[in-house]
Amino acid sequence: DTEVTQTPKHLVMGMTNKKSLKCEQHMGHRAMYWYKQKAKKPPELMFVYSYEKLSINESVPSRFSPECPNSSLLNLHLHALQPEDSALYLCASSQVSRRMETQYFGPGTRLLVL
Amino acid sequence: QQPVQSPQAVILREGEDAVINCSSSKALYSVHWYRQKHGEAPVFLMILLKGGEQKGHEKISASFNEKKQQSSLYLTASQLSYSGTYFCGTGVDNYGQNFVFGPGTRLSVLP
Repeated sequence: DTEVTQTPKHLVMGMTNKKSLKCEQHMGHRAMYWYKQKAKKPPELMFVYSYEKLSINESVPSRFSPECPNSSLLNLHLHALQPEDSALYLCASSQVSRRMETQYFGPGTRLLVL
Repeated sequence: QQPVQSPQAVILREGEDAVINCSSSKALYSVHWYRQKHGEAPVFLMILLKGGEQKGHEKISASFNEKKQQSSLYLTASQLSYSGTYFCGTGVDNYGQNFVFGPGTRLSVLP
């Protein structure tokens, strides 16, 4: 099973809402990632979790709050987002975070902030 | 710092070859290549590490010249399924710090 699943597929939220994105993998990977991708742009790394601990935070605003409750799950909690945060949010996993090993991406959650 | 990719876009006929280049101003430890089709997630193609190696994957291969901080992706006898946007990702150390994707090269293969 080389699948990374993400829910929901689409999300529309207002600027005062609180929502969460969920990512799951059952490949035994110990590194998980959140990326943000705008249309026609490359994915931008947001966070890296290694062995359930946050190892990289690429200066992401505090309105994005990641959580890794266990080795298979990764959440991204959203609060007080801005319209410019509208994007495709991709989750990825790899065996370990060393060298950013082969990353398996999920299909993404398309977020629209109104 | 984001690597530079060239060309920005390329259109091929089925069976033709293409080369996509990726270069960085930083000393690189690793170069990663991914392909993303429209509306889909990026898919890993290969990773090259410091040491100037070359790798192959069916009709897709890549090289990494660490002296020049450049990598090239070679697509031979292109197929329709090769269409998509190709991203190189670069890392400067063994820990994934400052990992960043290039802007992408849009490849279209026509019948």
